[in-house]
Formats: sequence, structure tokens, C-alpha cells
Amino acid sequence: DAGVTQSPTHLIKTRGQHVTLRCSPISGHKSVSWYQQVLGQGPQFIFQYYEKEERGRGNFPDRFSARQFPNYSSELNVNALLLGDSALYLCASSIPGQIKNIQYFGAGTRLSVL
Amino acid sequence: GQNIDQPTEMTATEGAIVQINCTYQTSGFNGLFWYQQHAGEAPTFLSYNVLDGLEEKGRFSSFLSRSKGYSYLLLKELQMKDSASYLCAAELDSNYQLIWGAGTKLIIKP
Repeated sequence: DAGVTQSPTHLIKTRGQHVTLRCSPISGHKSVSWYQQVLGQGPQFIFQYYEKEERGRGNFPDRFSARQFPNYSSELNVNALLLGDSALYLCASSIPGQIKNIQYFGAGTRLSVL
Repeated sequence: GQNIDQPTEMTATEGAIVQINCTYQTSGFNGLFWYQQHAGEAPTFLSYNVLDGLEEKGRFSSFLSRSKGYSYLLLKELQMKDSASYLCAAELDSNYQLIWGAGTKLIIKP
């Protein structure tokens, strides 16, 4: 079975541009979470979606938005890019409600803002 | 507020045992995860503790004390491939969100 897939793998943008990152969860997983990971730090929670509804939002500005589609795939959009948005963006899928709500991560999209 | 602390870096010798500690302070707590992350790769699940005590899984064991807000990951018979960052994450009881520590970089020397 395929794991969590993210695209693109790498991306280079300039300040002020916008970017769309994509994530396909593991088959059967209905929840998708997005994280930002800066080098040398742990992941920072951005969004969680379950059954196409936003279930949680981290402390990120409104420039960050996301949505989940009927097939449970998800997009993360970032507008008006800043240099500080350069990071590894991770997507994780899970099956909420189980005793062990294990999150399975994709390989990530490395975004560089110049 | 939410806070998770773990050492920045640890060094150990191949074949030895190492213990990586994690302390947490969260408003609402469900359980504690440990993930392994090799450089440039995604985090991979190692263990999850919801009850106090030690859970053993092969060379890796994880311990939790809810009253002390403390967990540790124990790695035995260290191998060179264990060189990685080890992340602890607290699961909030309100919405299953994870609050992550900054990770402990483990360096294994021959």
C-alpha cells in the first residue's frame, strides 16, 4: 500500500508569491494534518482536517490556508510568501478516534523562499 | 501554555544503551509519542504511551509518568543506523493535536 505522498518534493519561490502544496493520505485515512518544520526544530502544527472539515488550527497567520477534498487529499496554500516561510512542510494522515491515533508522515515538501 | 523539553544532542557508543528524556507541560494530555527522524526524511512512529509505565518493543522501550509530566525513550544495543533525531510529542486530549519537542539529535560513535 502507498504511504502518504506529497508533491512537489522541492520548491523555490520568491517573496510575495503564493504556493500550493499537495498531500494524498494513506488509503482509508480520513484525517490530514499539516506541519511546518524549520531546520533543527520540531514540527509546528498548522492545520488538521477531518472529513473535509477544519478540526484544528495552529498559531499561523491568515496567509496560510488549507482544504480537504472528498477523496481526503489535501492542499496547503500560502500567500504573500516571506523569507521566514522557508521550511520543510510535512503532511500526516491518521484515523482519529482510535486509542493510538498514530500519524503517518509523508516525505515532505522543502520550500525555499528567496 | 504548551511546552515540551528534550536535550538538543546526545552522543553514545555503538552497542551501548542510551536514554533520551522528555518533559512536558500541556493543558490537557492524552498520551506521548516518540518519533525517529533521519536527516532530510519524514518522522517515523516509534512508540505511544498513554498509561504510566514502561512499554518495550524490541531494542526500543518508552516510559511515561503522567504525574511528573515525564517520558523517556530507551535504546539498547545501539547501531550506527540509530543515528537520527528523536522527537517526543504530546497528544492533547481535546482534539488529538500533537505538540512537538525540538528533537534530540543522537550521534552514535563506533
